[in-house]
Amino acid sequence: KNEVEQSPQNLTAQEGEFITINCSYSVGISALHWLQQHPGGGIVSLFMLSSGKKKHGRLIATINIQEKHSSLHITASHPRDSAVYICAVSGGGADGLTFGKGTHLIIQP
Amino acid sequence: GAVVSQHPSWVICKSGTSVKIECRSLDFQATTMFWYRQFPKQSLMLMATSNEGSKATYEQGVEKDKFLINHASLTLSTLTVTSAHPEDSSFYICSASALAAGTDTQYFGPGTRLTVL
Repeated sequence: KNEVEQSPQNLTAQEGEFITINCSYSVGISALHWLQQHPGGGIVSLFMLSSGKKKHGRLIATINIQEKHSSLHITASHPRDSAVYICAVSGGGADGLTFGKGTHLIIQP
Repeated sequence: GAVVSQHPSWVICKSGTSVKIECRSLDFQATTMFWYRQFPKQSLMLMATSNEGSKATYEQGVEKDKFLINHASLTLSTLTVTSAHPEDSSFYICSASALAAGTDTQYFGPGTRLTVL
């Protein structure tokens, strides 16, 4: 079973700061997902990665398959980015996801 | 983009009753639907994997007779919590894999918050 570790667990930063959230996993995967969960509970899928790097607006996600590590970056952070960011991995095929515990991000104005 | 709905969004019920939660893919056909639950301040945990027209595959520790899953069509899966007890109170989320996009792409529903009194 894959073990997914995220760091930090909690992060408070000022508006405009560059944010990095890390994720490591123990067993080879077919894809890694970065998800955003708001206080109401709803989940939004931000990225799905199997290699390299993806960018969407102010969000950047990278993955290093050899090191079993991924990072999520937020540039020019804004209070509306405040949420829980969750890393999840899948083994491929019709596998469900294994989730990290999430990083609770607060961006202060 | 692909949309997954869940109904109801929240439900409060008495201990011993059964609760049905629906998960629908609104604009795509889902080969596979997944059911997850999240207890307060904990990470999401996979409960079961549901493929259309076949029996669901349950994760270790999840009672299949308590959490009944039906996946009757490519757009609808239901989770029924039978004889619910307070310890079943949780946030239940489904996700669906789109046939066209490949099975690694999952689209999440908004979740259902269940409170059992």
